[in-house]
Amino acid sequence: ETGVTQSPTHLIKTRGQQVTLRCSSQSGHNTVSWYQQALGQGPQFIFQYYREEENGRGNFPPRFSGLQFPNYSSELNVNALELDDSALYLCASSLGLAVSYEQYFGPGTRLTVT
Amino acid sequence: AQTVTQSQPEMSVQEAETVTLSCTYDTSESDYYLFWYKQPPSRQMILVIRQEAYKQQNATENRFSVNFQKAAKSFSLKISDSQLGDAAMYFCAYSPHGSGNTGKLIFGQGTTLQVKP
Repeated sequence: ETGVTQSPTHLIKTRGQQVTLRCSSQSGHNTVSWYQQALGQGPQFIFQYYREEENGRGNFPPRFSGLQFPNYSSELNVNALELDDSALYLCASSLGLAVSYEQYFGPGTRLTVT
Repeated sequence: AQTVTQSQPEMSVQEAETVTLSCTYDTSESDYYLFWYKQPPSRQMILVIRQEAYKQQNATENRFSVNFQKAAKSFSLKISDSQLGDAAMYFCAYSPHGSGNTGKLIFGQGTTLQVKP
């Protein structure tokens, strides 16, 4: 059973560019959540996908968007990058929506916006 | 608004000793889960322990235990017999239960734990 994987590991982008981050969920998991973790801070919920549909969104602008594919892997897209978007982006997968299901985190993608 | 507060940015403990990390939260919900996550340097975040709010008994997982005080909205983590591998950032997190809730986690700011040999 493979764990949650994310790609790329690190990424450097320029302000105004667009970026796509990828997440492969753990085998059998149909729910993926994305979090943004600024340096020295706790993660903040961006949004969640369940069976290819968005199922909840945090306080992030529309330029943060996502997708979930039939194999339950997921993408996070950020348009018009700003300096404040520099952070560690974490995805977490779980067996379902219920909070009782443990969320398994990936290693994260470190995004630097210059 | 639902918030989680960790008032100790850094803590240190001697190897084999016991340390307690503090967490308070604010919510108007009556049914929810609380969690402690561990994030080692440059490694994946993992679940340490969790507590269901309707359960009065404090959760324990080997050397890790919690002190859950629902009325005070307090949820502290006790690590006994601290080991060098316990050094990490620890996050307290909250998630409301019930229909309409996504299972999203609301995290505190984290506490960096140093373990001294």
